[in-house]
Formats: sequence, C-alpha cells, structure tokens
Amino acid sequence: ILNVEQSPQSLHVQEGDSTNFTCSFPSSNFYALHWYRWETAKSPEALFVMTLNGDEKKKGRISATLNTKEGYSYLYIKGSQPEDSATYLCASYNAGNNRKLIWGLGTSLAVNP
Amino acid sequence: KAGVTQTPRYLIKTRGQQVTLSCSPISGHRSVSWYQQTPGQGLQFLFEYFSETQRNKGNFPGRFSGRQFSNSRSEMNVSTLELGDSALYLCASSLGTADDPTNYGYTFGSGTRLTVV
Repeated sequence: ILNVEQSPQSLHVQEGDSTNFTCSFPSSNFYALHWYRWETAKSPEALFVMTLNGDEKKKGRISATLNTKEGYSYLYIKGSQPEDSATYLCASYNAGNNRKLIWGLGTSLAVNP
Repeated sequence: KAGVTQTPRYLIKTRGQQVTLSCSPISGHRSVSWYQQTPGQGLQFLFEYFSETQRNKGNFPGRFSGRQFSNSRSEMNVSTLELGDSALYLCASSLGTADDPTNYGYTFGSGTRLTVV
C-alpha cells in the first residue's frame, strides 16, 4: 500500500467496553509510526511514536502494537470512558527521497455513557 | 513550558487577497511542520522546516509558501486566496533533528481557522 489507511472509519461503543482500531502503512523503508488523539475543539495530541517491529507501548488504558514487516499497528483502549471520545490518527514516516509523515484519515470513536 | 502558539486564531479574507499565518514552536524545537485540514480530507502536509531550511514540501500550488526564522518561528503565506483555501491550518513542532526526524512526537498548535469569502 502507498497510503496510510485506518479502520474502522468510526466506532460507537458503550462505556466500559474495550475496543481496538487498525492502522495500515507502507512496510517498505519504514522509519516510524505515530499515533495521535484529536478531541473536538482541541489540537492533536501525541500518544505514541513507535519504531521497532514488535514494539508495544502503553499509556494508561491505551496501548499500541507495531508490525513493521506486514505494515500494521493496532491501538487498544481498555474499558473505554466518555473522555476517550475523539478521533485517533496514525501517521507513518518512511525513509526515501520524499520523507514526510503520511497521515491516515483517522478513526472517530464515540463512547456512550 | 509554553506550547506551540499560532496567530491569529481566526481570519476572514476575500478571494484574491493574501494572508500570512504565524507559528511559534516550543522552545528548543527546531522542526516545524504545517498542515491543512478540511472536512473529509484529513491532515494534508504543506511543508516542513528545520533550522531555517525547507526540508520537505507537500503537493500544494506555488501560492502556498513558507519560511522559518533563526529563532525557529515560522510563517506561511497564501497568495491570491481561493474559496477552497478555507480550512484549519495547523502548525506542529518537534524535537526531531535532521538525522533523526521523527523519533519524537509532534506538538500541535491550536490552529488558524481561515475563511475565504
């Protein structure tokens, strides 16, 4: 794949549910994978920067895994809370002549109380 | 520690005019990137600057330009504004270096909401 793709596009869950979304990115010349949370009326906030195949990072109830060989990353939220409602963006940085972060369109998460 | 500051927050311009947006990065951050965000389009990369040099440029027409000053503050300029330029323009800074560009997350400003009428 040449672009960064995120699925699902949107998700509605109940408070307390655990959920996960996927980010697919080009596996060739991979350099780094970023995850951000973007709440309405705020700026995107960095969650994780991941570089190593098999890497797993955690921040509170949120964790992420990385598979650079097959080009995907999962973001998990355990026990979703209403304050987790946001758009979750991933971005891939691949080395090469035109190095830049390529962004997915995001997964919009709504957590119902 | 001050965050990334973008000015102005809101701007209304007329077609054909030009506009300059400003971004002050976090102190110590030398990498500054600019993005355009429109509904349904996601974040579209405009440019990236590092130590006053444009390191990368997105697929935008030449009406979009930018620069970075010695204190790492950056400006972007859009000339001959079109209705389609109405968008949220975000600036982000990073500790990333020329050799290690994105091992660090980006810190975003609150953005400038540009409306072209």
